[in-house]
Amino acid sequence: GAVVSQHPSWVICKSGTSVKIECRSLDFQATTMFWYRQFPKQSLMLMATSNEGSKATYEQGVEKDKFLINHASLTLSTLTVTSAHPEDSSFYICSARIAGGPVQETQYFGPGTRLLVL
Amino acid sequence: TQLLEQSPQFLSIQEGENLTVYCNSSSVFSSLQWYRQEPGEGPVLLVTVVTGGEVKKLKRLTFQFGDARKDSSLHITAAQPGDTGLYLCAGGPGTYKYIFGTGTRLKVLA
Repeated sequence: GAVVSQHPSWVICKSGTSVKIECRSLDFQATTMFWYRQFPKQSLMLMATSNEGSKATYEQGVEKDKFLINHASLTLSTLTVTSAHPEDSSFYICSARIAGGPVQETQYFGPGTRLLVL
Repeated sequence: TQLLEQSPQFLSIQEGENLTVYCNSSSVFSSLQWYRQEPGEGPVLLVTVVTGGEVKKLKRLTFQFGDARKDSSLHITAAQPGDTGLYLCAGGPGTYKYIFGTGTRLKVLA
């Protein structure tokens, strides 16, 4: 149980285009999902916390108008990279926490989406 | 800003050797998790520790949470090539998010 999927698994796009990445909890409901970015050989950096039915909370230094997050249902959060540029190329990973769980509840990670902007 | 520093950053050892990875912070965490990540994949949870001084074992892996809940360690006994990967600690500060450590890249040579 507790499977999180991401789609697409990889995407190549031209500079200036927008890219949407989906994060789905397949067998549980998640009121909270997290979006991370990971550059090569580095750790995960939290970008934003996505809450179902409300606005996402962005970490300092993350442009909310560039990285649009929508958490429209208890099983789906989307991250849209708008007007992507080569420096946005990275590995984007989402995680989900089971709804109603304690603060220490495990977060389950998706397999990640590799974005390459040409 | 809460930071989690891991040491060492890189570790290359021979199969059969023991190793310890450290995760340190000046902040107190309500819980701490350890993950292993393979290239091109998401992190996979190894363990969660929540009590100061807690020790958990997972086969050849031993995890310890510091008494003050500011640090943790991961000890691997008789490392195997399959242990190769990026090891990440992540601290839960009591709010609904986790802070990831800087990571330790382990390579076990056959």
